[in-house]
Amino acid sequence: QSVLTQPPSVSGAPGQRVTISCTGGNSNVGAGYDVHWYQRLPGTAPKLLIYANTNRPSGVPDRFSGSRSGTSASLAISGLQAEDEADYYCQSYDASLSGIVFGGGTELTVL
Amino acid sequence: QLQLQESGPGLVQPSETLSLTCSVSGDSISSDSYYWGWIRQPPGKGLEWIGSVFHTGYTYYTPSLKTRVSISVDTSKNQFYLKLSSMTATDTALYYCARLVGYAREAHPDYWGQGTLVTVSS
Repeated sequence: QSVLTQPPSVSGAPGQRVTISCTGGNSNVGAGYDVHWYQRLPGTAPKLLIYANTNRPSGVPDRFSGSRSGTSASLAISGLQAEDEADYYCQSYDASLSGIVFGGGTELTVL
Repeated sequence: QLQLQESGPGLVQPSETLSLTCSVSGDSISSDSYYWGWIRQPPGKGLEWIGSVFHTGYTYYTPSLKTRVSISVDTSKNQFYLKLSSMTATDTALYYCARLVGYAREAHPDYWGQGTLVTVSS
């Protein structure tokens, strides 16, 4: 089982807003370590989508936003588009495991 | 534009050692700003960080694989490497190489390779 917990799947219609949760514990997210989010489109390399909880790398649309509170973090995607259909992963650092850890991934389906 | 490309055998015999190479283009592996690492994903499972290396050769490994893993770097070739010994079926996975930004064990990937599938089977 992954250290960070994500829902296996979410879905939404074009134009809608969806959120993906990422729940950790007191040795990772709850300890204040940053959360990062990645998008993996089918057959492509994962791409950094959000870094340090809320920041978007250059070129990432502002439809994507991140937040963190307590032991959880969330990725929100507004104005859903067909091209957003992908797997999304959260990632943080875990002090107990002495390394970076990932969520199990969430498959986003655009209806 | 930064590109990372994994290469190596797609099939490994049980008990053998896996050797993978990551070739980096578009950036110098000698940069003081980044680490370079390996991450894998077994079929149907989540992502697992294996370890990271700095251009000086200093390494960080995940504790669960520490006794079997070795990551090294060749700055003259702008490549870094993964060796994983005593392979078993549970090591079957998609192996990614990545550039990591941040500090030491907390550094996170910002660029990834496409990944290479490694199957352990006789």
